Amino acid sequence: GNSVTQMEGPVTLSEEAFLTINCTYTATGYPSLFWYVQYPGEGLQLLLKATKADDKGSNKGFEATYRKETTSFHLEKGSVQVSDSAVYFCALSDRSNYQLIWGAGTKLIIKP
Amino acid sequence: EAGVVQSPRYKIIEKKQPVAFWCNPISGHNTLYWYLQNLGQGPELLIRYENEEAVDDSQLPKDRFSAERLKGVDSTLKIQPAELGDSAVYLCASRGSGDTQYFGPGTRLTVL
Repeated sequence: GNSVTQMEGPVTLSEEAFLTINCTYTATGYPSLFWYVQYPGEGLQLLLKATKADDKGSNKGFEATYRKETTSFHLEKGSVQVSDSAVYFCALSDRSNYQLIWGAGTKLIIKP
Repeated sequence: EAGVVQSPRYKIIEKKQPVAFWCNPISGHNTLYWYLQNLGQGPELLIRYENEEAVDDSQLPKDRFSAERLKGVDSTLKIQPAELGDSAVYLCASRGSGDTQYFGPGTRLTVL
């Protein structure tokens, strides 16, 4: 069946550091891939998405590229800020019913 | 465009009491989801509606949980009676013609 695996947290970085949060998936067919972010006490916000192989999603300085050959969708940002502290969820959408399959989430802590 | 609206944002009740959560999806979105999110975990699907029809309620504990989506717009999720283990964040999401789900801010339920 479909599944998503993302790196365990928490990930602690200093401000302006480079960020990578790994996400790999297992899926039949060609799912869409998503990164959602959840700030403390808030709901889930769509950060970026990609719908086919080699697509790059980007938003707010974050990027992720849909890599079919490695079944990965790693989240990257060149220079993180304290305000990026949140929990990040990788997910895939099964195109047959649009059900979202979620990773466990990675808590990111940015220190000034 | 207004996002998904949920109320209340917070609710504290004693065990065995009833509680209800309300969701107004993004205008024009026919698909509505209710999720449960425990602390530090990803969302778990409770029920999915296509218009007013519940098309996937396999994960809804039907002995105490119920949901409705009259007229295919707003939805209500009810728990009666609530148990201590129901303490969690209840998230509502909606989807239009694409594959992206948009989430509301959630209702944080505390059962004492």
